[in-house]
Amino acid sequence: DAKTTQPPSMDCAEGRAANLPCNHSTISGNEYVYWYRQIHSQGPQYIIHGLKNNETNEMASLIITEDRKSSTLILPHATLRDTAVYYCIVRFPGSSNTGKLIFGQGTTLQVKP
Amino acid sequence: EADIYQTPRYLVIGTGKKITLECSQTMGHDKMYWYQQDPGMELHLIHYSYGVNSTEKGDLSSESTVSRIRTEHFPLTLESARPSHTSQYLCASSTRTGANEKLFFGSGTQLSVL
Repeated sequence: DAKTTQPPSMDCAEGRAANLPCNHSTISGNEYVYWYRQIHSQGPQYIIHGLKNNETNEMASLIITEDRKSSTLILPHATLRDTAVYYCIVRFPGSSNTGKLIFGQGTTLQVKP
Repeated sequence: EADIYQTPRYLVIGTGKKITLECSQTMGHDKMYWYQQDPGMELHLIHYSYGVNSTEKGDLSSESTVSRIRTEHFPLTLESARPSHTSQYLCASSTRTGANEKLFFGSGTQLSVL
């Protein structure tokens, strides 16, 4: 699976959009981009995933560049409860890779009042 | 909302004791996993199972063992706990589909071995 690079930490004002970048310049054509987050001392939580097109769900939006070398997770109106470590993961969804997510260090997002 | 449960939430135990960390899910998922995470560090896969009577070791070597006798239950056992086993242990399960596979995690067990 391709390696990802994320900034170690970011701050965001409450109510503002939080834009979390992820670089995956070695991504291959069949690899998906997944985002999870981990609130302190809890298990990670799935947020969103995508291949090429931008995706949106009730939690967030995922913007993937046309060359697929980078992506941005957008939390449109960050709240204090969004303070967490956010993991960007690139993975080929084959049967041999099932569950073997490489979480990395992630980005610690601090939402401030 | 995911239904995967881990007990105990916290465990403090002396060296040499045998412990079992419980993990149960009510979603009927075939695939289950155990991850280990030290404070501020990455998650590492230590065990996984693709179904009943199927268990495999993960990418990080661990002295723990697992069993999968029932679909919903995936306990982790340490025969003789040591201080080096102090860590957070996270259990997860996932759906069968490929690209749309999502992992659902429990709240974790924080283990401290004195």
